[in-house]
Amino acid sequence: AQSVSQHNHHVILSEAASLELGCNYSYGGTVNLFWYVQYPGQHLQLLLKYFSGDPLVKGIKGFEAEFIKSKFSFNLRKPSVQWSDTAEYFCAVEMDSNYQLIWGAGTKLIIKP
Amino acid sequence: GAVVSQHPSRVICKSGTSVKIECRSLDFQATTMFWYRQFPKQSLMLMATSNEGSKATYEQGVEKDKFLINHASLTLSTLTVTSAHPEDSSFYICSAGGGLAGVNEQFFGPGTRLTVL
Repeated sequence: AQSVSQHNHHVILSEAASLELGCNYSYGGTVNLFWYVQYPGQHLQLLLKYFSGDPLVKGIKGFEAEFIKSKFSFNLRKPSVQWSDTAEYFCAVEMDSNYQLIWGAGTKLIIKP
Repeated sequence: GAVVSQHPSRVICKSGTSVKIECRSLDFQATTMFWYRQFPKQSLMLMATSNEGSKATYEQGVEKDKFLINHASLTLSTLTVTSAHPEDSSFYICSAGGGLAGVNEQFFGPGTRLTVL
């Protein structure tokens, strides 16, 4: 069955640490890839997306993600996190452009000041 | 960017009553709206897809008679939880896309927290 997995449910980092959140999906066809973020008390917002082209995608707030097709992965990275990055991060995959997203379980990121 | 609103943001109701949640796309016409349910410590679960002017398509395991979805216009979709029970307590999120919002991108509403007593 098609699925999206996020490896860590909780991540705790100190400010200025580097971040990498894993996302893997199980599907061999064409995919569109997304990372969404939900800040405490707020609704989901799009961080970045990949449809085609350069597999290294840059998003808002200094985030980037790299699509590695051979590994079925779309990991989210940020070189130096800030306290304001505390949020829940969701990876989502659209398979075969059918316009429905399959979601990972989310990763709660806590940044210690 | 495009804005999607949901109303109400929170609702508390008694068991057995029905609750209607509205999802509006404020500055674009959404040909497709999606309704999700978020369980604690789990991912968002897609409940149904609604296209303007046609019947919603429900995901397996979602009772269409319990979760009534209406998408009467390009800017409004409603989800009615009928005869709500405590196990229906959850966070419901809608998203809107298509049309002038662009292909392959969805804009999310802020969500509605439903508590059934």
